[in-house]
Amino acid sequence: AQSVAQPEDQVNVAEGNPLTVKCTYSVSGNPYLFWYVQYPNRGLQFLLKYITGDNLVKGSYGFEAEFNKSQTSFHLKKPSALVSDSALYFCAVREPFSGGYNKLIFGAGTRLAVHP
Amino acid sequence: DADVTQTPRNRITKTGKRIMLECSQTKGHDRMYWYRQDPGLGLRLIYYSFDVKDINKGEISDGYSVSRQAQAKFSLSLESAIPNQTALYFCATSDPGQGLFEQYFGPGTRLTVT
Repeated sequence: AQSVAQPEDQVNVAEGNPLTVKCTYSVSGNPYLFWYVQYPNRGLQFLLKYITGDNLVKGSYGFEAEFNKSQTSFHLKKPSALVSDSALYFCAVREPFSGGYNKLIFGAGTRLAVHP
Repeated sequence: DADVTQTPRNRITKTGKRIMLECSQTKGHDRMYWYRQDPGLGLRLIYYSFDVKDINKGEISDGYSVSRQAQAKFSLSLESAIPNQTALYFCATSDPGQGLFEQYFGPGTRLTVT
């Protein structure tokens, strides 16, 4: 079955330190991968995506993610965390063969807490 | 995203009541989706629509129905609300025909069923 796993419910980081939020996927074919961020009382905001090309993709707010096909991973990273990065982060993969419907499968989410 | 709006933003209702959540978008996208979010479960798809003539059930459609009144409007109804439908509900849109495979989300509706 197609799925996305975010193995950590919560990640704690000190401000200024690098952060990593992990995501692994299980889909057939070539994956289309996405990261979203959700701030309190807000909808999901798109951060970045991998469709094809360079394995390192850059997105909004200084975030980047690395696609690793052999490890079926798409970890979200940032070199220097800010307290304002504290939020809920979701990894998602496009459902293969969903054709024009463009359905996404979401992970359970990882709460990032950046401490001053 | 201000291009996708949802009303109401918060709603408290009683068991057995019928309730409608509305979604409007100005992005001009054909594909629209309804999700619910529960803590620890991520987002689960309730219904999705390719256009006004096409409505499809998602993984958790029982107890819900939808109406696509126009390209820009997609409403979700709970025919007879029950407490385990208490959740955060999101509408989303996408336009893969433009190479934009990401989905764009509204601000959400927090629904409480007592």
